[in-house]
Amino acid sequence: DAGITQSPRYKITETGRQVTLMCHQTWSHSYMFWYRQDLGHGLRLIYYSAAADITDKGEVPDGYVVSRSKTENFPLTLESATRSQTSVYFCASKGRESSYNEQFFGPGTRLTVL
Amino acid sequence: DAKTTQPPSMDCAEGRAANLPCNHSTISGNEYVYWYRQIHSQGPQYIIHGLKNNETNEMASLIITEDRKSSTLILPHATLRDTAVYYCIVSSGGSNYKLTFGKGTLLTVNP
Repeated sequence: DAGITQSPRYKITETGRQVTLMCHQTWSHSYMFWYRQDLGHGLRLIYYSAAADITDKGEVPDGYVVSRSKTENFPLTLESATRSQTSVYFCASKGRESSYNEQFFGPGTRLTVL
Repeated sequence: DAKTTQPPSMDCAEGRAANLPCNHSTISGNEYVYWYRQIHSQGPQYIIHGLKNNETNEMASLIITEDRKSSTLILPHATLRDTAVYYCIVSSGGSNYKLTFGKGTLLTVNP
């Protein structure tokens, strides 16, 4: 299916475990983004990527690792999950050909760290 | 990027126009005003953007004051499905296209 998808949609894990959230887009968009959304904070940017093999930190990168070996995928890894990383995570993408900032968001992954 | 100020909530009757205000008094010359919305539990959705001229698309209209210090998003005929949190964002784009979301305005459309 065309579009941007995230998996899993729901995940429960325990403190200290490694978790990877997947993001896949079928538009060949150059830019991809990871946000987290918590009550009282709105959406905050974790990491972003301008192209394959190019990533950069956003506002709240600590505790997260990203990679971008293929244009269509942008996985987010929590190396050792903590309770404070309980959140809803949204992935987004944007095409390079568009000069304005229209980002397309995925449906989100709801992560609970016990 | 400049900071924005929005009312935390607003109500609107179904079928009426919804006018959502946003203040961005520190906006600089190369910054655009973007509007996104987020329907409950879904990812945000782009609505419209503008620099200094008024803009209209199939979803909404954007009115930017002449001094660019404030703007209004207009949903001409609000429906129940327009109930969402609306975010006003100022962004210069550049090479990274980062968006900084505030808390937005919760618009509730009532039957």
